[in-house]
Amino acid sequence: DVKVTQSSRYLVKRTGEKVFLECVQDMDHENMFWYRQDPGLGLRLIYFSYDVKMKEKGDIPEGYSVSREKKERFSLILESASTNQTSMYLCASTRGSDTEAFFGQGTRLTVV
Amino acid sequence: GQQVMQIPQYQHVQEGEDFTTYCNSSTTLSNIQWYKQRPGGHPVFLIQLVKSGEVKKQKRLTFQFGEAKKNSSLHITATQTTDVGTYFCPVLGGSARQLTFGSGTQLTVLP
Repeated sequence: DVKVTQSSRYLVKRTGEKVFLECVQDMDHENMFWYRQDPGLGLRLIYFSYDVKMKEKGDIPEGYSVSREKKERFSLILESASTNQTSMYLCASTRGSDTEAFFGQGTRLTVV
Repeated sequence: GQQVMQIPQYQHVQEGEDFTTYCNSSTTLSNIQWYKQRPGGHPVFLIQLVKSGEVKKQKRLTFQFGEAKKNSSLHITATQTTDVGTYFCPVLGGSARQLTFGSGTQLTVLP
C-alpha cells in the first residue's frame, strides 16, 4: 500500500522556535508538496519539489523553507514560528506531473 | 499558479437530494482530478478526467469534463450522510508541476 507519513499528528510550539515538519513517502515519487489548510481558505501550496535538492515556491512561501536531501523525504521548516502559522499542514506526493496525489494524515501545528 | 474557480464554496442539502459542484478555468486544462476530504481527514483521490467531453461514473457520482476542457462538474445523485466532506478539483500550473487545490466545495448533508 502506498504511504505518505508525516512525523507528528499534533505539535505545539512557542513563538520564535524553529520548527521542522517531516514527510516521508515510500513510493519512489518524484514530486512532493507541502500545503497548509485553514477554514474557508482550502489548501494553499507552500512549496513543492520535483527532484532531490530541487524546490519551487508555491503560493504562500513566506516564513517557510524546505529541504529535500533524499527522494523519499521532504521537510518543511518554519525558521521562526509565529502565531499566524498555526494551521493544519498536509504533505502530498505524486509519481509524475499529472498523476494522483497521495496525502499524509496531516500535522496540526499550534504556535503559542 | 494556475487557478480554477470552484462553485459553490458551501452547499447544504437534505439527505436524498442531488448535489453538483463545478470547476471553471479560463485556460484549457490537460486533465482534471477530483478529490474528497472527509471532516478531520486528508484529501483522497476520486478520479481523473483527460478527454474532451468525458463522463465517468462511480456509483452515485458522475464526473464530467467539458468539451472545451475548461470546466468540469461532479454530480452526486441522492446524497447520503457519507457524502459529507469537501470536494476539490486541483489543477497543474506554473511549471506544470505545481498542483494547486483551491478552496473546494464543502458539502453538508442534513439527515
